[in-house]
Amino acid sequence: DAMVIQNPRYQVTQFGKPVTLSCSQTLNHNVMYWYQQKSSQAPKLLFHYYDKDFNNEADTPDNFQSRRPNTSFCFLDIRSPGLGDAAMYLCATSRARGASGNTGELFFGEGSRLTVL
Amino acid sequence: KNQVEQSPQSLIILEGKNCTLQCNYTVSPFSNLRWYKQDTGRGPVSLTIMTFSENTKSNGRYTATLDADTKQSSLHITASQLSDSASYICVVSSSGGSYIPTFGRGTSLIVHP
Repeated sequence: DAMVIQNPRYQVTQFGKPVTLSCSQTLNHNVMYWYQQKSSQAPKLLFHYYDKDFNNEADTPDNFQSRRPNTSFCFLDIRSPGLGDAAMYLCATSRARGASGNTGELFFGEGSRLTVL
Repeated sequence: KNQVEQSPQSLIILEGKNCTLQCNYTVSPFSNLRWYKQDTGRGPVSLTIMTFSENTKSNGRYTATLDADTKQSSLHITASQLSDSASYICVVSSSGGSYIPTFGRGTSLIVHP
């Protein structure tokens, strides 16, 4: 059974039209991450939540926002997508640091591929 | 600065052959190293997790090694199959400071029939 679920798998939007990507998890992990991955590149961390605490990477554009209304759900909002924002967006979860049995393993969803026309 | 370097960047092999992928890291203090397999258009899936005290770990045809002294890891794939065609990403976590893992750029493996 899928443990990290992302929707939609494929999203096509027009230049400047807001987009929301969703991520849900059944693992009850404290930490949720959003990564941007472009072709043939490593995933790039945009931001993450440690419980309700939001942590933004210094180089994440203001165009990207996130919400985590509860432990299970996290959203990525792209306010005005540009052509350069076309990418695969990966959601991942992990257990809290110090948690019993924690290996720091990231559990990824299948990703949401964004196309900007 | 924590860094993870992978080589080669890409690799093409024939079905049935073996191959070895390399990962060098500067992450310190070291906590663990993971190899992920990412099929095209899919999310990464964990293959192995290695901690400081582990030298070798196998998962089917995949065998990972770790040399914590030289800060190197390798992923050996035995008797490759077409389904092994994917990107293999090395991810290293630190036990101090930031708990955010450091990603390598990945090795793209293509297995030809």
